[in-house]
Amino acid sequence: EVQLVESGGGLVQPGGSLRLSCAASGFTFSSYWMYWVRQTPGKGLVWVSRIKYDGTITHYADSVKGRFTISRDNAENTLYLQMNSLRDEDTAVYFCTRDGRGLGFDIWGQGTMVTVSS
Amino acid sequence: QSALTQPPSASGSPGQSVTISCTGTSSDVGAYNYVSWYQQNPGEAPKLMIYEVTKRPSGVPDRFSGSKSGNTASLTVSGLQAEDEADYYCSSYAGASVVFGGGTKLTVL
Repeated sequence: EVQLVESGGGLVQPGGSLRLSCAASGFTFSSYWMYWVRQTPGKGLVWVSRIKYDGTITHYADSVKGRFTISRDNAENTLYLQMNSLRDEDTAVYFCTRDGRGLGFDIWGQGTMVTVSS
Repeated sequence: QSALTQPPSASGSPGQSVTISCTGTSSDVGAYNYVSWYQQNPGEAPKLMIYEVTKRPSGVPDRFSGSKSGNTASLTVSGLQAEDEADYYCSSYAGASVVFGGGTKLTVL
């Protein structure tokens, strides 16, 4: 079965750090661009970051640039998001997703909740 | 990286058609044919409904169709069914980034 499973969310204080993981299975992980997208409860989807299939190119939303780092381990079929200097406004459900084709995100994880609060 | 503009709500009766617009700029929607649409039910992950403006993934009913004119993309749902009631989001490639719309809540009356 093709699936993505996120983990690593939780409660963290402002200024703290957290690393999210996304385990992929059922497809050739190393062939796809991968993305992180977040959603504040009750609000819309917001793109966070993306990484090329071989890890050589990464892009970030302005709101997280310099604080978040996306990476991947193709041998372990896992995507990561290292989040540092967390702010209240980073509170959201974080989804990992696959660019299946034509920038259509065809596979999504179930999401992991990150809460930044003192 | 400004969000694409969608109407917050849309509605229609069963069997009717409804169209949801998604307005961007010449740097995103107008520049690339990489507009996609997602359906999201409460508590669930989004589901891809349309990609590359007009293409439907396998398994998505042909009642769902997409189009684009200039800086505005549209999703049309024909023959509305109760199960179509959900939130819908558009997204577009924007060079080194991706931008989503604010979402439209579709209500089937």
